[in-house]
Amino acid sequence: QLQLQESGPGLVKPSETLSLACTVSGDSISRSGYYWGWVRQPPGKGLEWIGVIFNSGGTYYNPSLKSRVTMSVDTSINHFSLKLTSVTAADTAVYFCARLTAVTTSYHFDSWGQGTLVTVSS
Amino acid sequence: SSELTQDPAVSVALGQTVRITCRGDSLRSYYASWYQQKPGQAPVLVIYDKNKRPSGIPDRFSGSSSGNTASLTITGAQAEDEADYYCNSRDSSGYHLTVFGGGTKLTVL
Repeated sequence: QLQLQESGPGLVKPSETLSLACTVSGDSISRSGYYWGWVRQPPGKGLEWIGVIFNSGGTYYNPSLKSRVTMSVDTSINHFSLKLTSVTAADTAVYFCARLTAVTTSYHFDSWGQGTLVTVSS
Repeated sequence: SSELTQDPAVSVALGQTVRITCRGDSLRSYYASWYQQKPGQAPVLVIYDKNKRPSGIPDRFSGSSSGNTASLTITGAQAEDEADYYCNSRDSSGYHLTVFGGGTKLTVL
């Protein structure tokens, strides 16, 4: 069974870089037909997609965050990561990693990590 | 437009049927998927490809679509169905890859 697990600091200072990793188990991150992505949820608010990465390294980022986001993938350890620079309090959120199935007309996040709360505060 | 619009809140009496809707131009071209999220938990996919259910999702959950509107129907709502529900699809505007609706809080009375 596919499992995703986020890891990283729970507290980041303003203007610094948020770095999170997602470890995938139960399936190979190299399997075709899937993107690996990040979605965040500020406290009490809805879901916002941050970006997705293909196993080849190709990426799509939310245009509203694109200037600050970098995603990478390491297929050798079944792991992908997120970096978000110049964070502010508005970046405080629960960050989820998830698998995106992307086939023609069907895009859906079929597996999710449990989420990790990242607070931006000095 | 790259938005998906949902009603903020919907309520249903225990055992009755409720429909949660999602509207957006993207839905004319792409299937909606639906996610259930309970407090403190990760979202769970309940419907994809308009009306497919992942393994383990009860058959009281169903989906449909017409024009720019997708719907999630719960037939015989249970207390455990009380949650936030989000729709999601690929974005047809070309601006975003994918987009989420704002979410609907379902209360089971």
